[in-house]
Amino acid sequence: NAGVTQNPKFQVLKTGQSMTLQCAQDMNHNSMYWYRQDPGMGLRLIYYSASEGTTDKGEVPNGYNVSRLNKREFSLRLESAAPSQTSVYFCASSEVSLIYEQFFGPGTRLTVL
Amino acid sequence: DAKTTQPTSMDCAEGRAANLPCNHSTISGNEYVYWYRQIHSQGPQYIIHGLKNNETNEMASLIITEDRKSSTLILPHATLRDTAVYYCIVRDPNFNKFYFGSGTKLNVKP
Repeated sequence: NAGVTQNPKFQVLKTGQSMTLQCAQDMNHNSMYWYRQDPGMGLRLIYYSASEGTTDKGEVPNGYNVSRLNKREFSLRLESAAPSQTSVYFCASSEVSLIYEQFFGPGTRLTVL
Repeated sequence: DAKTTQPTSMDCAEGRAANLPCNHSTISGNEYVYWYRQIHSQGPQYIIHGLKNNETNEMASLIITEDRKSSTLILPHATLRDTAVYYCIVRDPNFNKFYFGSGTKLNVKP
């Protein structure tokens, strides 16, 4: 099992460009998440999807959109990138259970010039 | 979700126990305490969680005070590979999400 995969691993954008970050999981989890992590900071939740067909805002949703394409895939879109969106983006998945362990992908390092 | 307070950084000698404190004084009765760690720039990794009782697994022990307002993560024999940022998180089981704080940077030294 690959677990949680993210693409691309690195990306450089110019201000105003758009892009989509891809995330997929092969653990048959219902819930998926997008976080951002700025240098020296903890993770902040952008959006999450409790189950296929549902999405909800987290702490910092402005400037982002998400799509839960199917149970496996959850994408994050930046419509008009800004330098303030320079960050490392992590995708995670989990099953709602007593343990509720979130499994994280390797991250996408995004720089907006 | 209840907020947590952790020291910014701690040092520990290799082979000694590392005790990482966390304050969660506004925790509610049904909220769980979780610990995750992040090594270098990798995605965070689950360590342990608990509600009221102390918990132990192959990675660590979690001690929760009787009033549940604070907890301590114990790594019994720290190694250099345990150098990481450790996050203490309080989660309401009715909400399907975590809020990470800034965590504690644990430096394990030879």
